[in-house]
Order: sequence, then structure tokens, then C-alpha cells
Amino acid sequence: KQEVTQIPAALSVPEGENLVLNCSFTDSAIYNLQWFRQDPGKGLTSLLLIQSSQREQTSGRLNASLDKSSGRSTLYIAASQPGDSATYLCALSGNTPLVFGKGTRLSVIA
Amino acid sequence: GAGVSQSPSNKVTEKGKDVELRCDPISGHTALYWYRQSLGQGLEFLIYFQGNSAPDKSGLPSDRFSAERTGGSVSTLTIQRTQQEDSAVYLCASSQDVTSGGNTDTQYFGPGTRLTVL
Repeated sequence: KQEVTQIPAALSVPEGENLVLNCSFTDSAIYNLQWFRQDPGKGLTSLLLIQSSQREQTSGRLNASLDKSSGRSTLYIAASQPGDSATYLCALSGNTPLVFGKGTRLSVIA
Repeated sequence: GAGVSQSPSNKVTEKGKDVELRCDPISGHTALYWYRQSLGQGLEFLIYFQGNSAPDKSGLPSDRFSAERTGGSVSTLTIQRTQQEDSAVYLCASSQDVTSGGNTDTQYFGPGTRLTVL
């Protein structure tokens, strides 16, 4: 059974810092990995999707990497802004629909 | 429509009552998913529909939960004889396609229905 862990559970940084969010998983037989953002009281917004054959994806200030052999993914956020404050979730697709981590709650302080 | 919509946005009910939650997926999306997000917990998969195939119900927590998808579009999640532990945010998502084995395209989520069982 796939298990997804996200560390840290919460993170607070000053505006402008670069930061890394971590996601680890136990079963490397995945099809893809997605990073989502969830704002309080809202649904999820897909940020990046990495296919299992890919190593990374970039979108603006976001860069996500995938290392299947070690069961890890990272989401790098450059030059963080207060508007980046949200909960970030990683989710993996394998032989079952998405399995989610519990998320990292990010606060960027102005 | 422009995105996935869900109704109602909030639902308060008494223990033992039945509730129905509705999801309108993005037009043309063949796959539809229901998830539950309880306070302090991660998202829990409940059920998914792919085209005309039999739904994957492996995530439904009990036989009080059921879902249907009419005409390959709108879906309704029904919870019978609600319990306090059913209180959660119920999220619906849709994606353009699902290949065999459960591989998915990007899923687009609705805003969720917050269910409170008193």
C-alpha cells in the first residue's frame, strides 16, 4: 500500500526566501506525481505534474523534482511571496487513484 | 463550465439523516473522483468513475456511502444515516482521461462541500 509523507508539516519563512518542501513515498511503481496547492476553505489547485519517466518540471518560480529510486520528490519555491502562503500537497498515481500526503502548511511572512 | 462545481458548499445535518452531495465536472472530462478531507487528515480517496466502466468503490468507508454518475456527467454522493464521524469536506475532481491501471491526467478539483453532522 502506497504511503506518502510530507515533511515538514508546517513551515514559516520570511518573504524572499527560497524554500524546499519534501515528499516521500514507499512504492516506486507510480505513473506520475502531482503537487497541489490548497488555500483555506478552498479546493485544490494543481501546480505541477511529473510523469514517472521525467525527473523534474518547472512552472514560474516553482520547480518539482522526482527521484523514483529513492522515493522522493521536492517542490522548490524561489523568492517566496506572502501570496504563496497555503498548504502544499503531493499526490501519487499508481495502480489506484491519487494517494495524498497530509501536506505542508506554508506561511510566508511579509 | 469553467471548472468543477459542487453543491451545496456547506451542509449541516442531524445524526441519522441522509444527505446528497452534488458534483458537476468539467465538460468533456471522462473521469470523476470523490475524496474526503477530515480535520487534520489527508485527502482520502472514496470512489472514481471512468466513462461507462464500473466505478472503483474501493475507498468507500462503509455501505452507508454510495455514489452514482448519470449520463457520464453529474455525480451524486449519498451518505445514509449520517454519523458525526462523517463530518468532513467532500471534494470532487475530474480529469480528461484515465488510462488503464489508474494512471491519471491532471485532476481539477471543485471547492468542496463542508458537511457537519450534529
